[in-house]
Amino acid sequence: DIQMTQSPSTLSASVGDRVTITCRASQSINNWLAWYQQIPGKAPKLLIYQASTLQSGVPSRFSGSGSGTEFNLTISSLQRDDFATYYCQHWDTFGQGTKLEIK
Amino acid sequence: QVQLQQWGAGLLKPSETLALTCAVYGGSFSGNYWSWIRQPPGKGLEWIGEINHGGSTNYNASLRSRVIISVDTSKNQFSLRLSSVTAADTAVYYCARRVAAAYNFDSWGQGTLVTVSS
Repeated sequence: DIQMTQSPSTLSASVGDRVTITCRASQSINNWLAWYQQIPGKAPKLLIYQASTLQSGVPSRFSGSGSGTEFNLTISSLQRDDFATYYCQHWDTFGQGTKLEIK
Repeated sequence: QVQLQQWGAGLLKPSETLALTCAVYGGSFSGNYWSWIRQPPGKGLEWIGEINHGGSTNYNASLRSRVIISVDTSKNQFSLRLSSVTAADTAVYYCARRVAAAYNFDSWGQGTLVTVSS
């Protein structure tokens, strides 16, 4: 089974900061990697698929990169609405999540 | 724009069977996979399984012995049954769409909190 590991588990940042979250797969998954944002009490929202394709309606400050086993989600300039938990996902496996907190 | 609306019992006793249904509005019911995903309180996401319009299923190996996912194409609905529940099955359960040939979930239901308690 493929394991997905995110880092860090928690990230403290300020409005306007640029942040990056990393997801590593235990074996190559080509570019079959998606990123989700989850606000407490809400369903996850698809942000990026196939590692770097922005889902329709998602702000361009979100971007994804990587292939093979290492992937990044970058938020170029944090807005208040971005403080949430982020998950990576490949097929039937999700990463453990990264909680983005206000510093 | 596809919308998923789910419902089912929210409080169960140990050993009972969890039953949830998800209705799909808009978009195409065929050509997609329809999944169930759960999230225990304060924890991460766990994929339970999926079904397509033809009834072909895939299940999480750790839950396979207790899970049945079924589809009613006449109503554009799919359902989850999880038998012999325990407190460890307490979670928010989501239905979601996976576009065929993609590995991601692009539309989600609102979630249903299912609590297992004696």
